[in-house]
Amino acid sequence: TQLLEQSPQFLSIQEGENLTVYCNSSSVFSSLQWYRQEPGEGPVLLVTVVTGGEVKKLKRLTFQFGDARKDSSLHITAAQPGDTGLYLCAGDYTGGFKTIFGAGTRLFVKA
Amino acid sequence: GAVVSQHPSWVICKSGTSVKIECRSLDFQATTMFWYRQFPKQSLMLMATSNEGSKATYEQGVEKDKFLINHASLTLSTLTVTSAHPEDSSFYICSAPGGNEQFFGPGTRLTVL
Repeated sequence: TQLLEQSPQFLSIQEGENLTVYCNSSSVFSSLQWYRQEPGEGPVLLVTVVTGGEVKKLKRLTFQFGDARKDSSLHITAAQPGDTGLYLCAGDYTGGFKTIFGAGTRLFVKA
Repeated sequence: GAVVSQHPSWVICKSGTSVKIECRSLDFQATTMFWYRQFPKQSLMLMATSNEGSKATYEQGVEKDKFLINHASLTLSTLTVTSAHPEDSSFYICSAPGGNEQFFGPGTRLTVL
């Protein structure tokens, strides 16, 4: 059972375009993370959001945590080919680091 | 930041053999570690929680007798895939919590012929 629904699962866009990835759940999370994973490697943490309504920025990436702590979004501004990769949202709903992953969004940015 | 290593990074074995994968926390101690499996073009699926000094906790649908987990020390957890079959071919990733963050290993690619 997938507790975290992530969409879209695949996205192909032109360089310079903006995009948003969504992560939704019916469960409340104590924290939610966004990871990026390259082929053949483990996921690398981009950000952790903890407080409902929280917004964090990491260069061209903006992360938002829903007020009810059930959903999150990742917005990329002016995407670049270097942003190509698999983006994963993950939630810890037990408070004990038992992390559940969304299905992932495979992003391809064309030059 | 904290580092988690896995060994081997890749392994090829014959069907019916057993394969052991190690997960080490290099500069911190972890009483709990997690094992994930990732099939091609899919996300990470939690297999089990490895607990130092006690039995592992398996997720629903994961065979505990096939995927043996041993967490013998505060820095090492091992996953043994017993009597491996081609359908066990996958990317296995471990993680360990350190402070307020979860640290992931680089993964082990298992190919069963």
